[in-house]
Amino acid sequence: GQQVMQIPQYQHVQEGEDFTTYCNSSTTLSNIQWYKQRPGGHPVFLIQLVKSGEVKKQKRLTFQFGEAKKNSSLHITATQTTDVGTYFCAGGHAGNNRKLIWGLGTSLAVNP
Amino acid sequence: KAGVTQTPRYLIKTRGQQVTLSCSPISGHRSVSWYQQTPGQGLQFLFEYFSETQRNKGNFPGRFSGRQFSNSRSEMNVSTLELGDSALYLCASSLREDYEQYFGPGTRLTVT
Repeated sequence: GQQVMQIPQYQHVQEGEDFTTYCNSSTTLSNIQWYKQRPGGHPVFLIQLVKSGEVKKQKRLTFQFGEAKKNSSLHITATQTTDVGTYFCAGGHAGNNRKLIWGLGTSLAVNP
Repeated sequence: KAGVTQTPRYLIKTRGQQVTLSCSPISGHRSVSWYQQTPGQGLQFLFEYFSETQRNKGNFPGRFSGRQFSNSRSEMNVSTLELGDSALYLCASSLREDYEQYFGPGTRLTVT
């Protein structure tokens, strides 16, 4: 069936280090979405990528969508303690059976 | 624009009881999805409704059911509660099934 694998599951970094999480889909996606869930909170939508090879930036966050629209990455430059949380990707499927397939998330811990 | 609301926010039930959770989506959103979240388990997709029809369903037993009303408000029901049903239940609304989702604060269910 359709799956979205997300790695790593956990990541500990020192404040100031970079961080990257990856998503890989077993099927071609119509879009990829990224969400952030702070401890004790609920997932919050960060961004959506739609085009093959698309790259978007939000301050220190860089999001990429692969050429084949089957993989994506989120890169954080110079992490801060405010980046702590779990980052989820979700792959969109259009067509007759529209749905989102979620990755299991990457939990990021940042040591000050 | 008001966000997604979920009621109740906290609930304590006994094994064997049943529970109904409610979700009011963002105005204009016709898709409502439900998720179960337990520590370390990511977001487990329960089901998704669009215009009162269940469009997608996750791998949960039949004790978990839901419905959506004509005003897009949604309810989920869990019958014959088990200890393992203790979790945070999140509702999310969106314009379409594969579009960005906006989450409510969740209902924290504890089964004793």
